[in-house]
Amino acid sequence: GNSVTQMEGPVTLSEEAFLTINCTYTATGYPSLFWYVQYPGEGLQLLLKATKADDKGSNKGFEATYRKETTSFHLEKGSVQVSDSAVYFCALTLNSGYALNFGKGTSLLVTP
Amino acid sequence: DTAVSQTPKYLVTQMGNDKSIKCEQNLGHDTMYWYKQDSKKFLKIMFSYNNKELIINETVPNRFSPKSPDKAHLNLHINSLELGDSAVYFCASSHVQGDGYTFGSGTRLTVV
Repeated sequence: GNSVTQMEGPVTLSEEAFLTINCTYTATGYPSLFWYVQYPGEGLQLLLKATKADDKGSNKGFEATYRKETTSFHLEKGSVQVSDSAVYFCALTLNSGYALNFGKGTSLLVTP
Repeated sequence: DTAVSQTPKYLVTQMGNDKSIKCEQNLGHDTMYWYKQDSKKFLKIMFSYNNKELIINETVPNRFSPKSPDKAHLNLHINSLELGDSAVYFCASSHVQGDGYTFGSGTRLTVV
């Protein structure tokens, strides 16, 4: 089946630290890949996406590269801020006819 | 001018009651979804509608019935509520199925 595996949280970092949240996927075809962010008490917001191998999605200092050879889409940010504290979800879809499949989410806490 | 709006934001009700959650999107999207987020933040697709037609109907108790009067609205009716139905329910929409979603802010349902 189609699924996403994310690293377990919570992840706790100091402000300005480097962030990596690992995400790997299993898919029967060629999926599009996404990272969503959920701030406390809010819905999910699309953070970035990549639709084909070697694409790099980026937004707000976050980046992720679609690696077909390792079936991965790791999220990175060079210097996190307290305001980045949230739950991050990796997701995939096989496009037409399929919904988004989400990973279990990784909680990030950034301390001053 | 909220893109995807859900009502109510909070819903507390007794076991056995019937309740509805409403969702409206003003983005002109063709596809709408209902997701359930459990206490561990795991997101699971429940239903998907494309232009008022049911596309995805995951393994959900038949006490849950979606209704789409037009492509801008997707409501969720739940009969005979049970304790295990307590969760946050998110509505979402997308332009085409498989594209990035826009989420509502969620409805926190508590069954007592």
